Amino acid sequence: EIVMTQSPATLSVSPGERATLSCRASKSVSSSLAWYQQKPGQAPRLLISGASTRATGIPARFSGSGSGTEFTLTVSSLQSEDFAVYYCQQYNNWPWTFGQGTKVEIK
Amino acid sequence: EVQLVQSGAEVIEPGESLKISCQVSGYSFNNYWIAWVRQMPGKGLEWMGAIYPRDSDTKYSPSFQGQVIISADKSINTAYLQWNTLQASDTAMYYCARHGPGLDSWGQGTLVTVSS
Repeated sequence: EIVMTQSPATLSVSPGERATLSCRASKSVSSSLAWYQQKPGQAPRLLISGASTRATGIPARFSGSGSGTEFTLTVSSLQSEDFAVYYCQQYNNWPWTFGQGTKVEIK
Repeated sequence: EVQLVQSGAEVIEPGESLKISCQVSGYSFNNYWIAWVRQMPGKGLEWMGAIYPRDSDTKYSPSFQGQVIISADKSINTAYLQWNTLQASDTAMYYCARHGPGLDSWGQGTLVTVSS
């Protein structure tokens, strides 16, 4: 089973600042990597698939990069609605697996 | 419009069985994996397993293999998650989601509470 490790666990950022979230896979997942955003009481929402392809309707301030074992989600200028928990997930190998999440909170 | 509509919340006693559902619309049910994801109270997302309805190919996480059964009924565009014997530790929100790639559409979640 591929273990996905996200860092940091919590990220404190001021509105308008840049946020950089990391996700590391225990073995290569090629570009089969997705990022999700989850707000309290809501289902997760897909942000990025294929490591760097924004999902439909996702603002351009969200960008993904990386391949193999190291991935990054960047939010260029945090808006109030972006404070949430973010998860990465690999779908290159069975079983698919999620990271433990990064909470982005207001500084 | 792609939609995944899950069955309603359940309160179940320990030892009982349960089957929850996820009915999809707006796309060809046969051609996309449907995954089930658990979220325990205050915790992160856990991938449980997935099914490809066209041929019923099913994959499980080792953590859930033998604990749950994932199935699908192509005639009514519905995927299922079932337990034969529930425990208090199964209390959680359960989501179904379409893999398109990435889990691009999600159900609203089914809250399962196991309590005597």
